[in-house]
Amino acid sequence: DAGVTQSPTHLIKTRGQQVTLRCSPKSGHDTVSWYQQALGQGPQFIFQYYEEEERQRGNFPDRFSGHQFPNYSSELNVNALLLGDSALYLCASSLGQLNNSPLHFGNGTRLTVT
Amino acid sequence: KNQVEQSPQSLIILEGKNCTLQCNYTVSPFSNLRWYKQDTGRGPVSLTIMTFSENTKSNGRYTATLDADTKQSSLHITASQLSDSASYICVVGGGYNKLIFGAGTRLAVHP
Repeated sequence: DAGVTQSPTHLIKTRGQQVTLRCSPKSGHDTVSWYQQALGQGPQFIFQYYEEEERQRGNFPDRFSGHQFPNYSSELNVNALLLGDSALYLCASSLGQLNNSPLHFGNGTRLTVT
Repeated sequence: KNQVEQSPQSLIILEGKNCTLQCNYTVSPFSNLRWYKQDTGRGPVSLTIMTFSENTKSNGRYTATLDADTKQSSLHITASQLSDSASYICVVGGGYNKLIFGAGTRLAVHP
């Protein structure tokens, strides 16, 4: 039973570029959430996707966008990268949107913006 | 403002010793409280989830307590092992399916 998988594991981009990160949820899960984790900090909620629609959004600019596919996998897109976007990006999946559902995290994508 | 504060920020203990990590929250309404363990460079892994009606839950050597009246939780680690070295994150579920994350406590277990 595969857990949450994310790709790529590491990525280096230049300021102003665009990046796409990918996530496959745990088998049987239908909801995907994305988090940004700066070094030494807790994860910050970016947004959540359920039934291919963005259902909730954290305090992130429109440069951060996403998509969920019919097979429940998801992408996170970041445009016009800034140095401050350097972080570990975590994907978490769950069954349903209710916040009593256990979250399963992937191991993240480490993004470095130079 | 919904906030989750954890203490201490970091902690060093010797292998075999016990320790307790603290979590205070000001999240309302309250739905649940979770503790996660995050190894360096890895995603968080769930240790416990407690709802309003639960005041203690164990997972092996990890025991979490919840006092919903004082809005405090603790995570007690018994007979620590080197593999317990990690960040421990407290997460509180609030209204509208919100999850509020603490900044974590970084634990180092030394031989």
